[in-house]
Amino acid sequence: DARVTQTPRHKVTEMGQEVTMRCQPILGHNTVFWYRQTMMQGLELLAYFRNRAPLDDSGMPKDRFSAEMPDATLATLKIQPSEPRDSAVYFCASGLALKTSDVAPNYGYTFGSGTRLTVV
Amino acid sequence: GNSVTQMEGPVTLSEEAFLTINCTYTATGYPSLFWYVQYPGEGLQLLLKATKADDKGSNKGFEATYRKETTSFHLEKGSVQVSDSAVYFCALRDYGGSQGNLIFGKGTKLSVKP
Repeated sequence: DARVTQTPRHKVTEMGQEVTMRCQPILGHNTVFWYRQTMMQGLELLAYFRNRAPLDDSGMPKDRFSAEMPDATLATLKIQPSEPRDSAVYFCASGLALKTSDVAPNYGYTFGSGTRLTVV
Repeated sequence: GNSVTQMEGPVTLSEEAFLTINCTYTATGYPSLFWYVQYPGEGLQLLLKATKADDKGSNKGFEATYRKETTSFHLEKGSVQVSDSAVYFCALRDYGGSQGNLIFGKGTKLSVKP
């Protein structure tokens, strides 16, 4: 089965440090999403890309978070500087859009296993 | 705006009990509806989907029917197993204004006891 691969699976870091999370979407998928999951807020969309271009990053704190897709096989989410409130599980998901404006009908997204981030 | 409301958990059942997890939605267009499942320590997996009114999605013994008149998509299973213990998320995708983004409910944790 095709998978979305996220690295690292776990990350513990000190407050103020830079954190980079990576995602390898499924080959051929042209839409990549970053979600954050916490007990209090549930699943929150941070950003998403279509054909490597950012379409929406309104869910991200702009002062410390950045998301990029340097190529079609890699998406990155960076936090600099990290804070304890950033502790969460970060999920990447990918999907295939057949139209430029939407993910294909009838398709769900495929999620990675997540990166569990703890900032102390 | 678009939203999904799920029943709050946790839900605790004995093995072979009947399961219902309620989900209702608000959408401006004609959404597709999904149920995702998240097992401990893993990402979300698509469980089932329905794309239009009266469609029934089914998978692994789970079913959900798209009810436009009640704006609901309740998840059901006739006989749960311990291995069904997980968090279940209802989600919608509205093709109208949100560019195909998925909107998730808060999730409902299910624990099945032997």
